[in-house]
Amino acid sequence: NAGVMQNPRHLVRRRGQEARLRCSPMKGHSHVYWYRQLPEEGLKFMVYLQKENIIDESGMPKERFSAEFPKEGPSILRIQQVVRGDSAAYFCASSPSILNGALETQYFGPGTRLLVL
Amino acid sequence: AQSVTQLDSHVSVSEGTPVLLRCNYSSSYSPSLFWYVQHPNKGLQLLLKYTSAATLVKGINGFEAEFKKSETSFHLTKPSAHMSDAAEYFCVVSDPLLYGGSQGNLIFGKGTKLSVKP
Repeated sequence: NAGVMQNPRHLVRRRGQEARLRCSPMKGHSHVYWYRQLPEEGLKFMVYLQKENIIDESGMPKERFSAEFPKEGPSILRIQQVVRGDSAAYFCASSPSILNGALETQYFGPGTRLLVL
Repeated sequence: AQSVTQLDSHVSVSEGTPVLLRCNYSSSYSPSLFWYVQHPNKGLQLLLKYTSAATLVKGINGFEAEFKKSETSFHLTKPSAHMSDAAEYFCVVSDPLLYGGSQGNLIFGKGTKLSVKP
């Protein structure tokens, strides 16, 4: 059973370009989460999605960032007009369906390291 | 106020000696607490989790943590360190009652880097 897959593993962009980060959850998982890790920091929650729905985007910057999890295909985190401050590691996690409101364990991917020049 | 505080940014131990990584948290009545480990350039792996069952939680690779409500602590321990334990460890809380958001919103500490000397 493959784990959470993220690609690309490394991404270099120049200021003003767009960055697209992909995440394929574990088989059978319908919940996806995105986190950002700045150097020397812990991970910061960005957004929580189910198929075709955004459940919680309280950690997402209001501008330039968007996320989707379509019915078919991977979840995409999109950053428009990147700036140097967007350089970070972006981690995706997935979990099974939540039953009775119980918190399920999140399983993390290897991350995408974005460098903005 | 800091929601998850990892008291040491760096801990160094000798192989075969005990490991103690400290974590204090702020929470409402019933938080969920986790420890994750991150090896260099890798993703995060769950070591253990507490979700209001037994207060002493056993995890993988010989690690365990004890939930102490009176001290608001969730320290991670291991009796004997191995070289392969060298990594960064994150204490994590989920508590929507206190912080809002959803149960999916995990709040991470800043991490503790563990070094193991031969």
